[in-house]
Amino acid sequence: DQQVKQNSPSLSVQEGRISILNCDYTNSMFDYFLWYKKYPAEGPTFLISISSIKDKNEDGRFTVFLNKSAKHLSLHIVPSQPGDSAVYFCAARNGGATNKLIFGTGTLLAVQP
Amino acid sequence: NAGVTQTPKFRILKIGQSMTLQCTQDMNHNYMYWYRQDPGMGLKLIYYSVGAGITDKGEVPNGYNVSRSTTEDFPLRLELAAPSQTSVYFCASSYSTEKLFFGSGTQLSVL
Repeated sequence: DQQVKQNSPSLSVQEGRISILNCDYTNSMFDYFLWYKKYPAEGPTFLISISSIKDKNEDGRFTVFLNKSAKHLSLHIVPSQPGDSAVYFCAARNGGATNKLIFGTGTLLAVQP
Repeated sequence: NAGVTQTPKFRILKIGQSMTLQCTQDMNHNYMYWYRQDPGMGLKLIYYSVGAGITDKGEVPNGYNVSRSTTEDFPLRLELAAPSQTSVYFCASSYSTEKLFFGSGTQLSVL
């Protein structure tokens, strides 16, 4: 049972344009959501997060939007840069359980120069 | 700061062999985790620890064991390795329950 879903395995975007990565979840108990970025042969690194009491969080070029009624969140990267090419994982924390993050399957973003 | 350090980076095991994946962190984090990542799949939690002496099972604990005798170290033990344990293993630590810091991973093949 995949509680956190990233339905797009890959995404290709031109440099300078907007990248939109999507994530859907099924568990209404999730209270915190995070995005991680992973380069090949490296571990994931934290990118941005959002609490379930908010609908938007912005950090520089990165913005995360949360739509609780649709159980959907998205990551916007504007403008996209070639260095953004990586796998992006969406993750969610179950507020009713301890310390466990549930990860999606990831989306490979390729930013073309 | 080294952050989270995992050793080895690569390992090939024969079926039935055992090994320990080492993980150490120098950030004085109470929480530590072991995840595995299979191709096309997300990260699956194997075991986690909320502090020295306390461990608990995650989503996929079968075939693994852990211990947490110190705040810094959280080794993962594979007993009787099986091909299904071929994966990339990531150790992580965190101060709170949200932002995790990951090591660079161990690529394990069981043949």
